Amino acid sequence: SQQGEEDPQALSIQEGENATMNCSYKTSINNLQWYRQNSGRGLVHLILIRSNEREKHSGRLRVTLDTSKKSSSLLITASRAADTASYFCATVRDSNYQLIWGAGTKLIIKP
Amino acid sequence: EAGVVQSPRYKIIEKKQPVAFWCNPISGHNTLYWYLQNLGQGPELLIRYENEEAVDDSQLPKDRFSAERLKGVDSTLKIQPAELGDSAVYLCASSSTLSRGGNTEAFFGQGTRLTVV
Repeated sequence: SQQGEEDPQALSIQEGENATMNCSYKTSINNLQWYRQNSGRGLVHLILIRSNEREKHSGRLRVTLDTSKKSSSLLITASRAADTASYFCATVRDSNYQLIWGAGTKLIIKP
Repeated sequence: EAGVVQSPRYKIIEKKQPVAFWCNPISGHNTLYWYLQNLGQGPELLIRYENEEAVDDSQLPKDRFSAERLKGVDSTLKIQPAELGDSAVYLCASSSTLSRGGNTEAFFGQGTRLTVV
């Protein structure tokens, strides 16, 4: 049972441009996490944002959280070819701390 | 510090045969997850352990899948008998509990790619 839904499903941009991915969810959450997965590899944690936070930065990553709209966005600035990967959001439910995943956004950075 | 270790990395078996996957989580992480991931999709939870207790196994097909986490550390996931539709990547992850509830980020192993022929 997947709660998160990312959009777009796929995104292709030129190197140097910014990439924005969105995630929507359905239930009350404790925190929301973004992960990256390179082809054929495991998932790597990028950033965690708690339900009482609205924005968080980590290097070229910026994450926002709007609990009233039950949505989050991940912005990657000045994209690089190495950013090509699938990006997933995962929410930790407030009720049972269950970690629920979306289907991901496949990001392609064209050199 | 070693990350989450899974073995084997790849497994090819004939349908109706049994198969087992092993996971060693990060030391000190009390939460352990087993996920199934199909190509182009997000992880789907099979089972979550808090220490040695399975706290969420609602998505585990219990007629053929079983899991155990002895002593709250290593875990094994077994399929018996395997079906063609079980072909997927099986991911193990671990995390620790936040002081205010919820979990920290999950650390994933490289996964086991299972092919059932």
